[in-house]
Amino acid sequence: VQLLESGGGLVQPGGSLRLSCVASRFRMSSYAMSWVRQAPGKGLEWVSTISDSGNSAYYRDSVKGRFTISRDNSENTVFQQMNSLRIDDTAVYYCVQARGSGELFDAFDMWGQGTLVAVSS
Amino acid sequence: DIVMTQSPDSLAVSLGERATINCKSSQSVLYRSINKNYLAWYQQKPGQPPKLLIYWASTRESGVPDRFSGSGSGTNFTLTISSLQAEDVAVYYCHQYYSSPDTFGQGTKLEIK
Repeated sequence: VQLLESGGGLVQPGGSLRLSCVASRFRMSSYAMSWVRQAPGKGLEWVSTISDSGNSAYYRDSVKGRFTISRDNSENTVFQQMNSLRIDDTAVYYCVQARGSGELFDAFDMWGQGTLVAVSS
Repeated sequence: DIVMTQSPDSLAVSLGERATINCKSSQSVLYRSINKNYLAWYQQKPGQPPKLLIYWASTRESGVPDRFSGSGSGTNFTLTISSLQAEDVAVYYCHQYYSSPDTFGQGTKLEIK
């Protein structure tokens, strides 16, 4: 049972990236999914959450209007579209799953290995 | 936003000894109607993603050794490792999921003395 992220890379300030996260060997449709990032050598920072149905989404203030989280439950995949990227968005982005089925506010019991987003000119 | 403050920032403990990490939230994370504290602890080893150790402040995740325990309520919480093992060297984070945005403590680096 695992989460596998992809889509990271090097991008110039103002550019865009789309991260994907595929769940293998379990159905993610019953769980809220989130993105958590970690800048190099720094701590953990929550970025966004989407409800199990996809009807509700939440963002940290610094990414509102620039990032969009979405999901395709038929493909067992969650996405994060990141536009107008800034240097301080540089981080490893982890796809994470809420522990409890149907729970929006919960601990994160499954983490992907992360994908590195580097924003630099 | 709820601010999570861990102490100490780093800690060195001898093998077999007790390690204690504290986490204080700027407001209560206790949901009184269900008597649950929306507080989790994670362990992160170098080059790895974090691993959930404790949720609801004191419930051990499946597969986590029983030397790890969580306690506290309201705004003050503690992660205790009863007998430090070499494989426990890591950075530990607390996390509140009581209200959005979720927030994490700054991390506590645990080393062997």
